[in-house]
Amino acid sequence: GAGVSQSPRYKVAKRGQDVALRCDPISGHVSLFWYQQALGQGPEFLTYFQNEAQLDKSGLPSDRFFAERPEGSVSTLKIQRTQQEDSAVYLCASSPPREPRLGYFGPGTRLLVL
Amino acid sequence: QKEVEQNSGPLSVPEGAIASLNCTYSDRGSQSFFWYRQYSGKSPELIMFIYSNGDKEDGRFTAQLNKASQYVSLLIRDSQPSDSATYLCAGQDSNYQLIWGAGTKLIIKP
Repeated sequence: GAGVSQSPRYKVAKRGQDVALRCDPISGHVSLFWYQQALGQGPEFLTYFQNEAQLDKSGLPSDRFFAERPEGSVSTLKIQRTQQEDSAVYLCASSPPREPRLGYFGPGTRLLVL
Repeated sequence: QKEVEQNSGPLSVPEGAIASLNCTYSDRGSQSFFWYRQYSGKSPELIMFIYSNGDKEDGRFTAQLNKASQYVSLLIRDSQPSDSATYLCAGQDSNYQLIWGAGTKLIIKP
């Protein structure tokens, strides 16, 4: 079946520009995670949804970062007034209902802020 | 501060030999551990997960967990050039949040 998809795959933004990154999880997956991965580093947790509820947003680095999942399926990560340090790969992962531990990752969105 | 530590490598192993990847963690509350493989420019792919002390085998892969020593390892038998990748270790806390290591780069030399 179809896996997790993310769009756009690549995004170049000018500093100060707002960006929106989309994640389409695997159908039926209740849990959805966003991660930020800098070059040469492991992923860093940003936020976690269970259905439409955002249960943990402790990893969001600043109030410029906002995530939503209004209908419990597609999720959007929005970054306002982008800064150069926001340049990274943004990974989305979803998990099936009975195995919330098992994250299936999307291909990621590579964001470059100039 | 919850941490997962891995040697960044690169770890170079001849084809056909056993590759041994290691990981230590600081959070005694972590119960589940995961090994992901990540090819350059690609997203992480789940290889194995382990919840209980001891060994868990799946094909050429064996995960080992020692909760007393807070140590997780991944063994890859009969290493193939296609196993060359970065291997990420992650521990999961009670809130289902994954704490990731920075990864070990593995190179299998033909």
